[in-house]
Amino acid sequence: DIQMTQSPSVLSASVGDRVTLNCKASQNINKYLNWYQQKLGEAPKLLIYNTNNLQTGIPSRFSGSGSGTDYTLTISSLQPEDVATYFCFQHNSWPTFGAGTKLELK
Amino acid sequence: QVTLKESGPGILQPSHTLSLTCSFSGFSLSTYGMGVSWIRQPSGKGLEWLASIWWNGNTYNNPSLKSRLTVSKDTSNNQAFLKVTSVDTADTATYYCAHTREDWELDYWGQGVMVTVSS
Repeated sequence: DIQMTQSPSVLSASVGDRVTLNCKASQNINKYLNWYQQKLGEAPKLLIYNTNNLQTGIPSRFSGSGSGTDYTLTISSLQPEDVATYFCFQHNSWPTFGAGTKLELK
Repeated sequence: QVTLKESGPGILQPSHTLSLTCSFSGFSLSTYGMGVSWIRQPSGKGLEWLASIWWNGNTYNNPSLKSRLTVSKDTSNNQAFLKVTSVDTADTATYYCAHTREDWELDYWGQGVMVTVSS
């Protein structure tokens, strides 16, 4: 199995901050990496697929990058509605999720 | 508009078989590239991919649970199914189904159904 490690596990930031969330795979996943946002009590929502493709309807302040084993989700200017837990998901082999990064407002 | 809704027993006893149904609209599981995936999430914890079924009938199961999982579909009635055998308390979770595009984009999710395994 490919293990996905997300960091940090909890991130506190202020409205307007540029925020970076990290996801590291235990082996090369060839950019087959998606990002999901899950708000409390809701189902996850697809934000980014295949590293850097913005899902339809997702604000442009969200972006993704990376290659090999290291991937990043960036929020260019944090908004209050972005408070959520963010999960990465690899599908290079049997799909696996990271444990998540909980994003809070400072 | 794609929508999905999971249904299940709510509570069941250890060693029994969990049967879940995903009823969907807005797409067909006979259309090239379409799939439905099952994912679960214990309360307060992370997500675990369980299984996926594709338009051509191909199925993929999580290797760590493979022998306990069966995924199937009823294309005519726009439903997908998941069976988990020999459940125990570790299977207590919210179970989601999700529309899955060809490149593993789980882009529409159901609201989830809570399943509790308890004697």
